[in-house]
Amino acid sequence: AQRVTQPEKLLSVFKGAPVELKCNYSYSGSPELFWYVQYSRQRLQLLLRHISRESIKGFTADLNKGETSFHLKKPFAQEEDSAMYYCALSPGGSNYKLTFGKGTLLTVNP
Amino acid sequence: GAVVSQHPSWVICKSGTSVKIECRSLDFQATTMFWYRQFPKQSLMLMATSNEGSKATYEQGVEKDKFLINHASLTLSTLTVTSAHPEDSSFYICSARFRGYTGELFFGEGSRLTVL
Repeated sequence: AQRVTQPEKLLSVFKGAPVELKCNYSYSGSPELFWYVQYSRQRLQLLLRHISRESIKGFTADLNKGETSFHLKKPFAQEEDSAMYYCALSPGGSNYKLTFGKGTLLTVNP
Repeated sequence: GAVVSQHPSWVICKSGTSVKIECRSLDFQATTMFWYRQFPKQSLMLMATSNEGSKATYEQGVEKDKFLINHASLTLSTLTVTSAHPEDSSFYICSARFRGYTGELFFGEGSRLTVL
């Protein structure tokens, strides 16, 4: 069975501080990992995925297969980063079902 | 990006009635749509996977007779909550995968159902 764990429900930082949202997963195969973000009163949208190895809005995430982690990081948080962040896992291949973590609400204070 | 639209955004109904929620992909053909349920302050729980022209695949614990899913075309999937009860009150979200899947799912804005 696949499982995604986000240990922090809430995370509060000050503007300009580094931020790291933790995500650990459990899956026996080679999954695809994603971070989705939901800003206030908006729909869920993709932030980034591990196979792209890209930086979006200053965020990066590296898949660590040894630690089964996919932590989301940003060196300097901005107020507009305040949102709900969900880590998600897909088995990959032809299976597109996403399993979501419970989410972390990030608040960036001025 | 691609747009997925849900209708209605919110609905209030009496216990025992049925409610239909539509999920449309506005500018692409969605070969697969997913229906999620989200309780307050909790994560999204996948209810079922809907493939165009075939029966939906339900996740364990989801009553298929309670939550009827129809994916009649490449741009429309519907979720009907039959004989709704207060415990069915929730936020229902759909997402769609388009034919040229690149790993991204596009989400609707969600539909909030309140059963009185």
